[in-house]
Amino acid sequence: DIVVTQSPDSLAMSLGETATINCKSSQSLLHSANNKNYLGWYQQKPGQPPKLLFHWASTRESGVPDRFSGSGSGTDFTLTISSLQAEDVAVYYCQQCYITPFSFGQGTRLEIK
Amino acid sequence: EVQLVQSGAEVKKPGESLKMSCKGSGYRFSDYWIGWVRQMPGKGLEWMGIMYPGDSDTRYSPSFQGRVTISADKSISTAYLQWSSLQASDTAIYYCARSSGSGRLDAFDIWGQGTMITVSS
Repeated sequence: DIVVTQSPDSLAMSLGETATINCKSSQSLLHSANNKNYLGWYQQKPGQPPKLLFHWASTRESGVPDRFSGSGSGTDFTLTISSLQAEDVAVYYCQQCYITPFSFGQGTRLEIK
Repeated sequence: EVQLVQSGAEVKKPGESLKMSCKGSGYRFSDYWIGWVRQMPGKGLEWMGIMYPGDSDTRYSPSFQGRVTISADKSISTAYLQWSSLQASDTAIYYCARSSGSGRLDAFDIWGQGTMITVSS
């Protein structure tokens, strides 16, 4: 099975700063047939189901602010949140969707200082 | 509106069986993979398995294979997750979720509200 590891486990940032969350896969998620990286990013706020932010590593879902960006390819990916706002407090997960089982990272908790 | 609505919370005893449901609406249910995700109290997300209602193709995580059964009735646009014998360690929130893209195995773009299962003697 593919192992997905996020870093850091948690981070505390100030309003207006930029947060960076990393996600590393134990094998490449790049599908040669369509040159897409099969990685998703989710945001989960307390008491709510996860919300998909990006699929294919960098394709933003409808309604997601452009303060959020996804990047990376192969085995290394990054979620960047710029101009942090109080509403961004959440746990963020990456998920590989290349081979089943579609494993999630362990999550990164983002807090505001 | 595309949505998934899950059945309500349950309290069960160890050894009991359970079947929870997830009803899709606002889209062609048969054309999208439906998966299940476990979240134990205070913990992260665990991918359990996924089914394509159109032909019942089903994939399980090895961690859940043999412990749960995923099924669907496309005539009523409903997916199911069931246990034949619950354990205390099954206490968790269970989410159903739709794979983005018709016919495609991918990230989950639509999620149910979650069903809390408590297993306690």
